[in-house]
Amino acid sequence: DGGITQSPKYLFRKEGQNVTLSCEQNLNHDAMYWYRQDPGQGLRLIYYSQIVNDFQKGDIAEGYSVSREKKESFPLTVTSAQKNPTAFYLCASSVNSGLAGHYTGELFFGEGSRLTVL
Amino acid sequence: AQSVTQLGSHVSVSEGALVLLRCNYSSSVPPYLFWYVQYPNQGLQLLLKYTSAATLVKGINGFEAEFKKSETSFHLTKPSAHMSDAAEYFCAVSEAKRGGADGLTFGKGTHLIIQP
Repeated sequence: DGGITQSPKYLFRKEGQNVTLSCEQNLNHDAMYWYRQDPGQGLRLIYYSQIVNDFQKGDIAEGYSVSREKKESFPLTVTSAQKNPTAFYLCASSVNSGLAGHYTGELFFGEGSRLTVL
Repeated sequence: AQSVTQLGSHVSVSEGALVLLRCNYSSSVPPYLFWYVQYPNQGLQLLLKYTSAATLVKGINGFEAEFKKSETSFHLTKPSAHMSDAAEYFCAVSEAKRGGADGLTFGKGTHLIIQP
């Protein structure tokens, strides 16, 4: 079935360590996104990418990095520079909004990854 | 800049009663509007969306929402609550002019509690 797969579901990290969260989609979507979710804060955009080999910072990019080497993959690295990394991370994808007539606005989400810093 | 305000971080209703979750948006251009539902430790699932067609939008699980431009609102309703409706609900906006280049802007969410 088509969808978005995030792994791992749960991850524990010691302070000072970098960790990478995986996001893979087989929906043939051009655009991919990473959001961070904290209780009572809603979802905040970390990074997004509309095409391969290109990505932009979102509202809270500090302490995070991404790559987009393949259309179906958009991994997120939480670096040691992120001061408060404990959160629920959600990856999403959508049809590329730049293509006329193709924009629906809808995001498709993965099941999320919960990161806890010990 | 676009923004979304969801009134009430927690809403409690009795099973069988009307569900009303409020959402007001701010956008400089005609918006696309969405409601998503999230169950514990899961991703978000789309309930319904408004993309400048009919102002009354019907979604899954018996939910519907009405776009009111004059009130800048997009409230979510369901005539009769079911225990399975207990979840977190998010309203989101995208600016159609930019084609949603930077994804959606989300409200802080409303936790819906269903009392037996």
